[in-house]
Amino acid sequence: AQSVTQLDSQVPVFEEAPVELRCNYSSSVSVYLFWYVQYPNQGLQLLLKYLSGSTLVKGINGFEAEFNKSQTSFHLRKPSVHISDTAEYFCAVSDRLDDYKLSFGAGTTVTVRA
Amino acid sequence: DVKVTQSSRYLVKRTGEKVFLECVQDMDHENMFWYRQDPGLGLRLIYFSYDVKMKEKGDIPEGYSVSREKKERFSLILESASTNQTSMYLCASSLEGAGASGREGSYEQYFGPGTRLTVT
Repeated sequence: AQSVTQLDSQVPVFEEAPVELRCNYSSSVSVYLFWYVQYPNQGLQLLLKYLSGSTLVKGINGFEAEFNKSQTSFHLRKPSVHISDTAEYFCAVSDRLDDYKLSFGAGTTVTVRA
Repeated sequence: DVKVTQSSRYLVKRTGEKVFLECVQDMDHENMFWYRQDPGLGLRLIYFSYDVKMKEKGDIPEGYSVSREKKERFSLILESASTNQTSMYLCASSLEGAGASGREGSYEQYFGPGTRLTVT
């Protein structure tokens, strides 16, 4: 099974500033990669996914992520955050041999301040 | 839109009680999953089901069982609730895996709103 590390548990950021959330996974075998967001008192919602092709993936709400195979990373970025981006963000990985199962990171809580 | 619903948002049970958490999806998905979410640990897979009456253990199945009698419904059962099972429980569903269907993206998981269970 994959091991997923989210390097920051808490990220405070000011409104309109950029944010980067870091995610590394354990295996270099072919993988599918996801970022999910969880707003307070809600379930998880898919932000974006990497399946194949271009390593730069664009998602909803202005987020993007870059897949780096050599570094086994899938970092999430947004150039300018809003108060409404305050949420917990989860990186998830599945490998192509077992592709219906996801391994999740511990989560990164983003708090956006005015 | 895919909709995954869970029977309760909040539940309080006593130690030793049998607890049922219900999950229903309306998109004819093959796969269904039960996770628990704890601060600092992310989501951990308890059980999943890839077809009616079929199930497989996830990473933390101890103290739990599941039932899938109909395709749209997946139940999580705590046979004898304990305080260390106090947690947020999330249900998810997905279409068959890309390996089976050949359709990339068909395995995206859709989540319900969660049930916060407190065992006292």
